[in-house]
Amino acid sequence: GAVVSQHPSRVICKSGTSVKIECRSLDFQATTMFWYRQFPKQSLMLMATSNEGSKATYEQGVEKDKFLINHASLTLSTLTVTSAHPEDSSFYICSASRRGGPYEQYFGPGTRLTVT
Amino acid sequence: AQSVTQPDIHITVSEGASLELRCNYSYGATPYLFWYVQSPGQGLQLLLKYFSGDTLVQGIKGFEAEFKRSQSSFNLRKPSVHWSDAAEYFCAGRNTGGFKTIFGAGTRLFVKA
Repeated sequence: GAVVSQHPSRVICKSGTSVKIECRSLDFQATTMFWYRQFPKQSLMLMATSNEGSKATYEQGVEKDKFLINHASLTLSTLTVTSAHPEDSSFYICSASRRGGPYEQYFGPGTRLTVT
Repeated sequence: AQSVTQPDIHITVSEGASLELRCNYSYGATPYLFWYVQSPGQGLQLLLKYFSGDTLVQGIKGFEAEFKRSQSSFNLRKPSVHWSDAAEYFCAGRNTGGFKTIFGAGTRLFVKA
């Protein structure tokens, strides 16, 4: 159990367009979901934390108007990269925590975004 | 400030040799601690976790880790490395009452024949 999926696994988009990435908890209810960004050969940097039905909490330095996060249900969170630029190219990983403690996180397989 | 440190950027071991990856943490109180493995272009797979209790934690794929409060360490070990263990390894910590997980910089493991 505790499977998290992401869609798409990789996406290429043109500069100036927007792209949406979905994160789903397949077999559990995720009260909290997290979005991370990973640059090549670097660690994961937390972008934002979202609780179902409420606004996401963004980490310092993350543009909330550029990276729109929606957590509309207990099994789905979306990250929309608006007006994408080449510097937004990265590996985006989501994770989810189920109800109850101690809040173990389950990670999705990641989405490779390339902006041309 | 809370932090997780992995002092080794990369390590090379021979297949069949033992492995130890270092991890140190800095938290006000003992955090939850995790080790993850990531293959190229893939997500993270949880190897093991420490919440409380027995300080020697067994994980998947033959890995274990030992929590040492006196040294603020949570080193990952494996007695005999296989070529398929070559990957990036991340140590991570989280406050017991919080949600935010802090990741170390990662250690790239190379396995030579």
